[in-house]
Amino acid sequence: DAGVTQSPTHLIKTRGQHVTLRCSPISGHKSVSWYQQVLGQGPQFIFQYYEKEERGRGNFPDRFSARQFPNYSSELNVNALLLGDSALYLCASSFEQGAAYYEQYFGPGTRLTVT
Amino acid sequence: GEDVEQSLFLSVREGDSSVINCTYTDSSSTYLYWYKQEPGAGLQLLTYIFSNMDMKQDQRLTVLLNKKDKHLSLRIADTQTGDSAIYFCAERANNAGNMLTFGGGTRLMVKP
Repeated sequence: DAGVTQSPTHLIKTRGQHVTLRCSPISGHKSVSWYQQVLGQGPQFIFQYYEKEERGRGNFPDRFSARQFPNYSSELNVNALLLGDSALYLCASSFEQGAAYYEQYFGPGTRLTVT
Repeated sequence: GEDVEQSLFLSVREGDSSVINCTYTDSSSTYLYWYKQEPGAGLQLLTYIFSNMDMKQDQRLTVLLNKKDKHLSLRIADTQTGDSAIYFCAERANNAGNMLTFGGGTRLMVKP
């Protein structure tokens, strides 16, 4: 089975632009979470979606938004990019919300560079 | 708020055991995880432990949890050069959905 996939793998944007990152969860997984990992730090939670509904939000500005589609894939959107948004964006999937969702599997990430 | 702390760096010789330590502050943590990250890659789930357990062993990996002291450790037996990576401890609180709070990572260097 394929693991979590993310696209693109790398991209470079200019300050003020908008970016959309994509994630496909492991087959059968219904929950997708997004994390931001700045170089040299641990990942920080941005959003969690389950069954197309937002179930959790981290301490990120409203420039960050996300959605989940009927096939459980997800998009993360970031508007008005700042230099500080440069990071590795990680997507994680898990089976479901609830007692059985303890295992979260991460994709390879999208490396975003803002210049 | 939640806080997860790890030492920054650990160096061991090939064949020795490695012990990576982590402390956390949230007493409502239900699951605690260890992830491995190799250069330029995403996170690989190594193992996890439920908060009502003291120990979990999985091949070369042993996780010890001291809930009273909020201390978690990962022991890697017979450490190999392929174990060189950054290791992240993460916790999930009882009321936090799927949100994981990660430590800053411990860079493990294995010398031949």
